[in-house]
Amino acid sequence: AQTVTQSQPEMSVQEAETVTLSCTYDTSESDYYLFWYKQPPSRQMILVIRQEAYKQQNATENRFSVNFQKAAKSFSLKISDSQLGDAAMYFCAYSIIQGAQKLVFGQGTRLTINP
Amino acid sequence: DVKVTQSSRYLVKRTGEKVFLECVQDMDHENMFWYRQDPGLGLRLIYFSYDVKMKEKGDIPEGYSVSREKKERFSLILESASTNQTSMYLCASSRLAGGGGRTQYFGPGTRLTVL
Repeated sequence: AQTVTQSQPEMSVQEAETVTLSCTYDTSESDYYLFWYKQPPSRQMILVIRQEAYKQQNATENRFSVNFQKAAKSFSLKISDSQLGDAAMYFCAYSIIQGAQKLVFGQGTRLTINP
Repeated sequence: DVKVTQSSRYLVKRTGEKVFLECVQDMDHENMFWYRQDPGLGLRLIYFSYDVKMKEKGDIPEGYSVSREKKERFSLILESASTNQTSMYLCASSRLAGGGGRTQYFGPGTRLTVL
């Protein structure tokens, strides 16, 4: 069974600094998708960024980028120029290619931005 | 704008009651999901559906059932609520087809307390 592990329950960063959230996963599949979702306080979960395993190039979305290390089964999220609105729970998630693409989530990392 | 709504933000029920959690999406998505979110455990999949009247068990289906009579609506049913079902319940939907890893769109969640 696939598993996703986020080893940092909480992280904090100064506003305008850079922070990296860690995620590792376990799978026997060769192709799959990886995601980072963000859950702001009392607000809906939204997708931050996604990565297709067969693509070697790391995905980027504005201030958000990933470091995807397929052999190490590692998928970290880097947030540059942190803003107060980045404060949230961040979840790493995995899905297989086929079927409904149900997600397997990590435990989450609570990110605090210090002004 | 995509929208997933859930019938209640907060719900308090008594042990043994039958509980219905409703989820509606307006994006004509084929896939719908029910997760429960607990601190330190992330999100865990309870049930999902890829079509009307179709359902599949997720990772923690015990004590729950689901119903999908219409494409836009997916209900989670607790046949006899127990205190260990106190949790945050999140509904999500996604398209059936499409490459690149299908984004799941989440509702705001229902925080259920069983006394």
